[in-house]
Amino acid sequence: SQKIEQNSEALNIQEGKTATLTCNYTNYSPAYLQWYRQDPGRGPVFLLLIRENEKEKRKERLKVTFDTTLKQSLFHITASQPADSATYLCALSDYKLSFGAGTTVTVRA
Amino acid sequence: DVKVTQSSRYLVKRTGEKVFLECVQDMDHENMFWYRQDPGLGLRLIYFSYDVKMKEKGDIPEGYSVSREKKERFSLILESASTNQTSMYLCASSLSLADGNEQFFGPGTRLTVL
Repeated sequence: SQKIEQNSEALNIQEGKTATLTCNYTNYSPAYLQWYRQDPGRGPVFLLLIRENEKEKRKERLKVTFDTTLKQSLFHITASQPADSATYLCALSDYKLSFGAGTTVTVRA
Repeated sequence: DVKVTQSSRYLVKRTGEKVFLECVQDMDHENMFWYRQDPGLGLRLIYFSYDVKMKEKGDIPEGYSVSREKKERFSLILESASTNQTSMYLCASSLSLADGNEQFFGPGTRLTVL
């Protein structure tokens, strides 16, 4: 069966450092991979989408990589700020989305 | 901006009650989705709809049904609520199932079944 695993449940990081989150998947060949941000008590908000034929995508301080051979995506938040504290979800898509459980990031001032 | 609204933020029901969760989107999106979110399990797809009156089962449809009579509105129905249906329910919409299917989510309904 398909499985999507995100790295350790919580990531604590000092302001200004780079946070790196991992999303690994098995038994799946997604055409797209997405990352969402979710704040407590709110619905997820779309951040970035990367296609299977793209290696890397950037948006402001965010960078996503997608390695279909390793079946892995890395999500980087550079120059992290306390406002980046949230749970980040990866989602694999063909015509519907399958989500990982998320990684909670806390950025300390 | 796309806006997805859900009828209630918090809901408390009794075992055996029939429960309706309503979702409305204002961007003329073709597709609408219902998920439930539980700690450690992530979001799991219950049902989705790709057109009015059309629906497709997701990964965990048992115990749920849906209705889409109008394009902007998608309802989730728990025919006879049970305690294992206590969860956060999230509705989402998207313009197209192709090209990645970026989804826009509502704020969620936290349902407690006693």
